[in-house]
Amino acid sequence: AQKVTQTQTSISVVEKTTVTMDCVYETRDSSYFLFWYKQTASGEIVFLIRQDSYKKENATVGHYSLNFQKPKSSIGLIITATQIEDSAVYFCAMRGASSGSWQLIFGSGTQLTVMP
Amino acid sequence: GPKVLQIPSHQIIDMGQMVTLNCDPVSNHLYFYWYKQILGQQMEFLVNFYNGKVMEKSKLFKDQFSVERPDGSYFTLKIQPTALEDSAVYFCASSLGQGYAEQFFGPGTRLTVL
Repeated sequence: AQKVTQTQTSISVVEKTTVTMDCVYETRDSSYFLFWYKQTASGEIVFLIRQDSYKKENATVGHYSLNFQKPKSSIGLIITATQIEDSAVYFCAMRGASSGSWQLIFGSGTQLTVMP
Repeated sequence: GPKVLQIPSHQIIDMGQMVTLNCDPVSNHLYFYWYKQILGQQMEFLVNFYNGKVMEKSKLFKDQFSVERPDGSYFTLKIQPTALEDSAVYFCASSLGQGYAEQFFGPGTRLTVL
């Protein structure tokens, strides 16, 4: 079965610090894509960053980066220099490439609160 | 970034009525999706649509659900008849391609079935 698990329900940090959010996944696919999205308080869902399973280099976009550990089926999101406006719910998601499935499978989300 | 629009933002209807949720995807995108999110939970895939056809649907996509995109206009999700358990936020998404292509989400339609 394909599954995405985020065990951290909520995290609080002080602004300008670095935070890491965990995500592990299960898949039968030999090739797959991993995504992180955030959902703001207004409900808006924003795409942040993607990791392709065949790439060894960790993806980086702005102050978001990934810690991809393929043997552990783990894709952590790292946010450096956090800002108040980073407060949101962060969802990890996966999509298979070889199974022919089109759907994104989401984790349950991690609520990040950035405090002044 | 690219914007997906959804109309209406909130819909309240009585159980058993029909409802149509509308989505205006990113203009050059070819793949369209609907997801359902019950309050406080993760989003769950309902269906995806490409080239006028349903390509994949989940167990949540009941027989009462249907999707279409007539003449390249709104991509719609119709529920007929609605049930209490259909109350949720429905998100539309679109992507340029499949596989690696990220899906861009609309702001959601909150459906309340009384």
